[in-house]
Amino acid sequence: EAQVTQNPRYLITVTGKKLTVTCSQNMNHEYMSWYRQDPGLGLRQIYYSMNVEVTDKGDVPEGYKVSRKEKRNFPLILESPSPNQTSLYFCASSSGLAGLGESGELFFGEGSRLTVL
Amino acid sequence: AQSVTQLGSHVSVSEGALVLLRCNYSSSVPPYLFWYVQYPNQGLQLLLKYTTGATLVKGINGFEAEFKKSETSFHLTKPSAHMSDAAEYFCAVRVPFGNEKLTFGTGTRLTIIP
Repeated sequence: EAQVTQNPRYLITVTGKKLTVTCSQNMNHEYMSWYRQDPGLGLRQIYYSMNVEVTDKGDVPEGYKVSRKEKRNFPLILESPSPNQTSLYFCASSSGLAGLGESGELFFGEGSRLTVL
Repeated sequence: AQSVTQLGSHVSVSEGALVLLRCNYSSSVPPYLFWYVQYPNQGLQLLLKYTTGATLVKGINGFEAEFKKSETSFHLTKPSAHMSDAAEYFCAVRVPFGNEKLTFGTGTRLTIIP
């Protein structure tokens, strides 16, 4: 089954304790992205990756890091989490460049709810 | 840069009534447009999309949307609401040949009144 898998789904942590949210897709997609969802703000892009070893900042990258060493994996790293990073996080992937015979439809994971105390 | 505005953060309709969720976009080039639905405690699921061609697109669960370039709109409709339609709906825009970013609206929570 084609899917995007995130772990953990739920996490409560404390300020300053490094954590990593993993994301893996089994669709051989080149493009992957992380979003955070907050009430009243919709989804905002944190980082994205066009391919292996190619990553770039989205709209709200502060306090986050990513890496793309393998095509299927795109972990989100919070080096020193703070309470303002309490949010619902989504990883997403798509097959190709929108406009090159592809619609650019994103496939989403089920989300990771993070609470930073 | 592209942007999306969803009018109405909360919409309530009676079961069997018309559902209309509004979405207006801003883009410097003809965009690709999407509607996603999010059920409680779940990820986002694609409802429908417009890329090129026919401006009236049909999606899953009886939803459809019409791309109106002159009005820069992509409103979502369903003729008859069902209780199972209660969810949050997001409109999104993506620019072809851009950096692949999908820009979302702030969402509309749809409540169905029995």
